[in-house]
Amino acid sequence: DAKTTQPTSMDCAEGRAANLPCNHSTISGNEYVYWYRQIHSQGPQYIIHGLKNNETNEMASLIITEDRKSSTLILPHATLRDTAVYYCIVRSRQGGSEKLVFGKGMKLTVNP
Amino acid sequence: GAGVSQTPSNKVTEKGKYVELRCDPISGHTALYWYRQSLGQGPEFLIYFQGTGAADDSGLPNDRFFAVRPEGSVSTLKIQRTERGDSAVYLCASRKLAGALSTGELFFGEGSRLTVL
Repeated sequence: DAKTTQPTSMDCAEGRAANLPCNHSTISGNEYVYWYRQIHSQGPQYIIHGLKNNETNEMASLIITEDRKSSTLILPHATLRDTAVYYCIVRSRQGGSEKLVFGKGMKLTVNP
Repeated sequence: GAGVSQTPSNKVTEKGKYVELRCDPISGHTALYWYRQSLGQGPEFLIYFQGTGAADDSGLPNDRFFAVRPEGSVSTLKIQRTERGDSAVYLCASRKLAGALSTGELFFGEGSRLTVL
């Protein structure tokens, strides 16, 4: 599975949109982009995933560039409860490894 | 229960002792994963079960670590002759379907915090 690169940390003001970047320049055609987050002392929580089209659900939006080498997770109205470590993961869904490989992630701090 | 359940939530043991950590996945989830997480790091893959069999155990660090899932539901992670370096949070996750059609969404438990003195 391709490797991802994320900033170590980011701050965001409560009520503002939080845009979390991720680089995955070696992504291949059959690899999906997944986002998870981990709030302190809890297990990781699935947020969203996508292949090449932009995706939106009740938690967030995922914008994937046309060349698929990077993506942005958008939390439209960040709240204090969105403070967490966010993991961007690339994984193939066509055979091969079934596991998700987590990096160190990015710490998002939402400030009042 | 509604989510993945892990017991114990906290375990303190002495170096050299044997430890078992239990995971109750979401009912009907065929895939089960074990990860461990050290402070400041992301979760590190240990082993993945598809049904009763270990489909990928490439993340187990050495032969002191072993996991079973005899009936394709509950899984137990077993650690022999524990060492201080084994101290971590051990996370279990389950997924409804395995293979190419799966969504990739893993549901994680709260973890079992192991401290080896």
